Amino acid sequence: DTAVSQTPKYLVTQMGNDKSIKCEQNLGHDTMYWYKQDSKKFLKIMFSYNNKELIINETVPNRFSPKSPDKAHLNLHINSLELGDSAVYFCASSHRAAYGYTFGSGTRLTVV
Amino acid sequence: AQTVTQSQPEMSVQEAETVTLSCTYDTSESDYYLFWYKQPPSRQMILVIRQEAYKQQNATENRFSVNFQKAAKSFSLKISDSQLGDAAMYFCASQETSGSRLTFGEGTQLTVNP
Repeated sequence: DTAVSQTPKYLVTQMGNDKSIKCEQNLGHDTMYWYKQDSKKFLKIMFSYNNKELIINETVPNRFSPKSPDKAHLNLHINSLELGDSAVYFCASSHRAAYGYTFGSGTRLTVV
Repeated sequence: AQTVTQSQPEMSVQEAETVTLSCTYDTSESDYYLFWYKQPPSRQMILVIRQEAYKQQNATENRFSVNFQKAAKSFSLKISDSQLGDAAMYFCASQETSGSRLTFGEGTQLTVNP
């Protein structure tokens, strides 16, 4: 009955590879997000989708591309992975501002 | 644009005692929400407490309460009767009603000593 589920939880890959992280929510929320947590634990928004429409697109490299096939899913595809992409990536969803976000358990990406 | 600042990178408390974590924020909007999230070593982000800016009454959730000072743009978290399970990174966050973006502070690492 996981509300926001991300897969995989851990991802170790070599530089230059392409990888995807999947996210699904069963809460019926309209808005989904991707956040990056760096090595200093700072959380920064990357993207946000509302009902499959991109509404927030922060300054991230073009190698990162979100895709939302429906409002319950938001995937993150990363091309040509670099060492600096190593981080924890969180998916989250929300219904209204008053209630905050529900987060997935995070994906720890390690690029070697 | 919103900004959130947590000036205490680390705090420690003895089990059963009380600790207060500080947070200040800045926003140009009059209507917004404030949150405290907890991130234990499992890395799961857990909502601890939330406050609606238009409410003067401070939010309380069991052992967790906030001191919301709107004019000072201050939003501190008080943890009473600290337990070992409270050890975690705590993030303060703000969200403007007009948008969906949740802006986080840098976090405060809380250690609970037995």
